[in-house]
Amino acid sequence: QVQLVQSGAEVKKPGSSVKVSCKASGGTFSSYTISWVRQAPGQGLEWMGRIIPILGIANYAQKFQGRVTITADKSTSTAYMELSSLRSEDTAVYYCARDGGIGVDWGQGTLVTVSS
Amino acid sequence: NFMLTQPHSVSESPGKTVTISCTGSSGSIASNYVQWYQQRPGSAPTTVIYEDNQRPSGVPDRFSGSIDSSSNSASLTISGLKTEDEADYYCQSYDSSLWVFGGGTKLTVL
Repeated sequence: QVQLVQSGAEVKKPGSSVKVSCKASGGTFSSYTISWVRQAPGQGLEWMGRIIPILGIANYAQKFQGRVTITADKSTSTAYMELSSLRSEDTAVYYCARDGGIGVDWGQGTLVTVSS
Repeated sequence: NFMLTQPHSVSESPGKTVTISCTGSSGSIASNYVQWYQQRPGSAPTTVIYEDNQRPSGVPDRFSGSIDSSSNSASLTISGLKTEDEADYYCQSYDSSLWVFGGGTKLTVL
């Protein structure tokens, strides 16, 4: 079973960018999609976008178009999500999730706090 | 845009059966797979149902999923409720292959 390990918590200033990593181990990385999902405090799950590492093709939710970039490094089995022009409303836990064909595996989450 | 609607909360007693609905806003919910995720407080989501009615390894058979085309809804049914089932549950499907989540349902087992 694949394990997804994300980078640690971040505190960022408004207007800056954050880059969160998600390293996969114990399974095939390139053939399955990696999605990024966020959850603001007390709120539901919100899909941001995804990448298919073997193709290097990313798709984004319309809400985040132009502000989010999802990439993947096949050599290290690591996916990245970079969010720019941060504002306070971006304070949330960010999850990576791999659709492995027998259910979705989730990372442990990364708390990103945006505060001046 | 395609949306999924879930009840905000449901409650039931231990040992009983509860069903959580997830209604599609348009089109046919049967056209795309539906997944269900469980999220306990302070934890990451986990998959309890994938591809409408499949259980990942390790998920007890008390959890089951179904699709009702007549009501354009998916359902998650949990039988023999245990206090450990108390959590938020989210349905997820697709809109032009992009993920769409329901708003989540808080299950209280009391």
